[in-house]
Amino acid sequence: GAVVSQHPSWVICKSGTSVKIECRSLDFQATTMFWYRQFPKQSLMLMATSNEGSKATYEQGVEKDKFLINHASLTLSTLTVTSAHPEDSSFYICSADRGANEKLFFGSGTQLSVL
Amino acid sequence: DQQVKQNSPSLSVQEGRISILNCDYTNSMFDYFLWYKKYPAEGPTFLISISSIKDKNEDGRFTVFLNKSAKHLSLHIVPSQPGDSAVYFCAARPTWSRGNTPLVFGKGTRLSVIA
Repeated sequence: GAVVSQHPSWVICKSGTSVKIECRSLDFQATTMFWYRQFPKQSLMLMATSNEGSKATYEQGVEKDKFLINHASLTLSTLTVTSAHPEDSSFYICSADRGANEKLFFGSGTQLSVL
Repeated sequence: DQQVKQNSPSLSVQEGRISILNCDYTNSMFDYFLWYKKYPAEGPTFLISISSIKDKNEDGRFTVFLNKSAKHLSLHIVPSQPGDSAVYFCAARPTWSRGNTPLVFGKGTRLSVIA
C-alpha cells in the first residue's frame, strides 16, 4: 500500500531556532500534500495545502512566514517552523493525496517541543 | 464553526460487544466520508470510507452507515476487541472527484474496549 514517510518523529529545540519537518510519499507521486496540527486532545487542524511547484495555500490564522512550506518535487514537501516558540509545541502531521477518489495517507507525525 | 462533529469524546465498550461511533456534518457539499484510527504520537490510519451514493459500506468487523438526509454517519465495530482501543476520527471531503481537497476532521472519539 501507499506509504507516507515523515521525519523526524520528534524534536526538541530551543526557543528561537528553526525546525524542518520532511514529508515524503514513498511509492506514489503526490501533487498535493496537506499539513495538519494537533494539540493534545484536540482534532486535526488543517494548516496548509502544499502544491508541487507552486505556493502553499494557508488556512486562516496560520502565519505563512512562520510556517514555511516547500513542495519542490512530487514526492517531498517540507514544513519549516521558523523562530520556534513554546506555543508552537504541537504534533504536526502531513498527508499526501494520491489522486481522485482516494483516501488520504498520513505520515507518522512529528512531536515538536520548544523549550 | 465545526463542520464535522463527534459529540461523544469517549466511549467504553466491553470486549465482544458492538461499538457505535457517531458523526454529524453540516456542510451539504461533503460527499465522501472516512474514518481514521489514531494512537497517541502516531499519524492516523485509514479504516473505512463511504461515498454519498451509498448508505452502507462494510469491511470485516467495520461497517459505516450514512444517512444523508440526517447528515449523519456512524461506524460500527463488531465484535469489539481490546486492540480497537484508540481515538477514532470522522472526516469528510467536499468532493471525491478531485484529489486536491483536504479532509475536515471531527474532534475524535476515544474508544476503550474493556476485556
